[in-house]
Formats: sequence, C-alpha cells, structure tokens
Amino acid sequence: SAVISQKPSRDICQRGTSLTIQCQVDSQVTMMFWYRQQPGQSLTLIATANQGSEATYESGFVIDKFPISRPNLTFSTLTVSNMSPEDSSIYLCSVFLATPIYNEQFFGPGTRLTVL
Amino acid sequence: GQQLNQSPQSMFIQEGEDVSMNCTSSSIFNTWLWYKQDPGEGPVLLIALYKAGELTSNGRLTAQFGITRKDSFLNISASIPSDVGIYFCAGQSMDSSYKLIFGSGTRLLVRP
Repeated sequence: SAVISQKPSRDICQRGTSLTIQCQVDSQVTMMFWYRQQPGQSLTLIATANQGSEATYESGFVIDKFPISRPNLTFSTLTVSNMSPEDSSIYLCSVFLATPIYNEQFFGPGTRLTVL
Repeated sequence: GQQLNQSPQSMFIQEGEDVSMNCTSSSIFNTWLWYKQDPGEGPVLLIALYKAGELTSNGRLTAQFGITRKDSFLNISASIPSDVGIYFCAGQSMDSSYKLIFGSGTRLLVRP
C-alpha cells in the first residue's frame, strides 16, 4: 500500500482567491490522480497527473481552473483558481500501484474546501 | 460515458445483521474495487477483484466480480457499529489510463 498525506486538511476561502493543495506519497509512483467529491456526492475524476508529462483533464475540468504540478514521483499539487462557492468540495489525491499480481488505487485523506 | 449504478442508496440495519450491496454497469471493467469512506476521511480500499467470477473475502467482507465484468456485489456479515460509513464501488477502465469510475455510494447505518 501507500501512505498519502494532503495539506491543508481543510480551509475556508474567499470567493475569487486561489488555493493550492499538496499531495505527498511515501513511495515513488508514476500515476497520480486528483478527484473532487462534492457534498453528499460520489468521487469525480478531475485529472491524471503522471510525472514527466502534462496533466490530462476529464471532461468539464480545465487547466486554467485546476492547474496541476507533478515535479517528482512523490509529490503533486492541485490549485483551485478563482474560487466560487460551487468549488466547495473535498479534493482527494490518489496513487496507482501495480505489480504483476495486482493493481490498486489508494487515496489521501482529502482536503475539505469551503468557499464563502 | 461510463456509469456505475449502485444500490441501495442507504441502509439502516440492526447490529449482527448481514448486509448486501451491488453495482451494475453497461460497460466492462478490468478491475473492480470496493472502498469504505468514514466521515472526514478519504476512501479506504476494502477488496479488489481482477478476474471475471472471482469471489474474494476479507474478514467479514465478501465480494464477487460478475462473470460479464459488468457487475459486482459486496456482502458484510454480522455487522458491527464500526461498519457505519459510505461504501463505494469503483470500476477501473480497460484501457491503460487506469482511471476509476465510482458508484454513487451506499450509506450504511448500524443500530447497536
């Protein structure tokens, strides 16, 4: 498995500002993902962040709104830009681990964002 | 796009009872994963299924991957209060993206 930490764990932000969320993994991983979980909802994939390449965004998510960095194999950041109350959600990073026997995804504890 | 239909949406059961929840999809998945999410936490992986028809247990949890690779169920036997949480199924794409598609979740409440 992988131990994943996120910072901050929660934040309350003003409309129009930006917040950068950090994700740190205890081992080197190639594939990392960023998800959003709106209140009372399931998880929706924002983007795939592989080291050495540009992030790949899902339909409905754009780089200008959610810029992502992946400087090395253990770290990534997601920025929520020009925030509005609709961006209030839990943001989660996850990593994909694969061996010849299994492949699994593990999640960080999430960052709970409230936008006023 | 791909969707997972998860049911039931919520369950309120007596401690000691068995629980069953399932997910179906119109798409085929390579891998099927079951997660549990506690309040204020990220999802925790419970069981991963890789082969069509595979039946896997993890303590009081049992899950099966459907023969068609389009469905799965999760059973919890002899429920206890700490089983309370939201359970999500997730299907992993057949392509090399390894993206997960999540079900809508089943909220489980256990009455002591």
